[in-house]
Amino acid sequence: DAKTTQPNSMESNEEEPVHLPCNHSTISGTDYIHWYRQLPSQGPEYVIHGLTSNVNNRMASLAIAEDRKSSTLILHRATLRDAAVYYCILRDLDFGNEKLTFGTGTRLTIIP
Amino acid sequence: KAGVTQTPRYLIKTRGQQVTLSCSPISGHRSVSWYQQTPGQGLQFLFEYFSETQRNKGNFPGRFSGRQFSNSRSEMNVSTLELGDSALYLCASKLTGSYGYTFGSGTRLTVV
Repeated sequence: DAKTTQPNSMESNEEEPVHLPCNHSTISGTDYIHWYRQLPSQGPEYVIHGLTSNVNNRMASLAIAEDRKSSTLILHRATLRDAAVYYCILRDLDFGNEKLTFGTGTRLTIIP
Repeated sequence: KAGVTQTPRYLIKTRGQQVTLSCSPISGHRSVSWYQQTPGQGLQFLFEYFSETQRNKGNFPGRFSGRQFSNSRSEMNVSTLELGDSALYLCASKLTGSYGYTFGSGTRLTVV
């Protein structure tokens, strides 16, 4: 699986937008970009995924660079509940190869 | 709807013993995966089952095994426990053709 690089930690103020970056310079044309987050004492939670175009859902937005070598997860208005470790994962569209390769992720701290 | 259920939540075993962990996926989800999470190695893929067949296996010794039943429920077994097997074991299920996994809260195994 192609590798992703994320900052180890980030801080953000409550009720402000948060931009979590991810670099994936070796991404292949068939790799989807997935984001998961893990809240304390819980299993990871799917956040969003995309291939080429920017994506929005009720949890977040995903902005993908034109060359697809980087992406940014955007939380539009951070709350204390968004404090978690966020993982950026590349996953090939191969439904016979079902696994997620987690990196170390970004630990997001929300400051009240 | 009910999420992914893992039992037990906590387990303490003695080195050399064996242990069986259980996972009930979301109804209709036929893909079940297992992950090990430790502070040192992070989240690592163990194996994935689909329709009672192991489709994918991570880089773990043969002491780690699993199976899936016809109702998609899955178990994983670790034999001859070692201290290093102490970890949070997470189960995830996925609907065929979808992109996001749903994780359970995990079973925390402590080997003493």
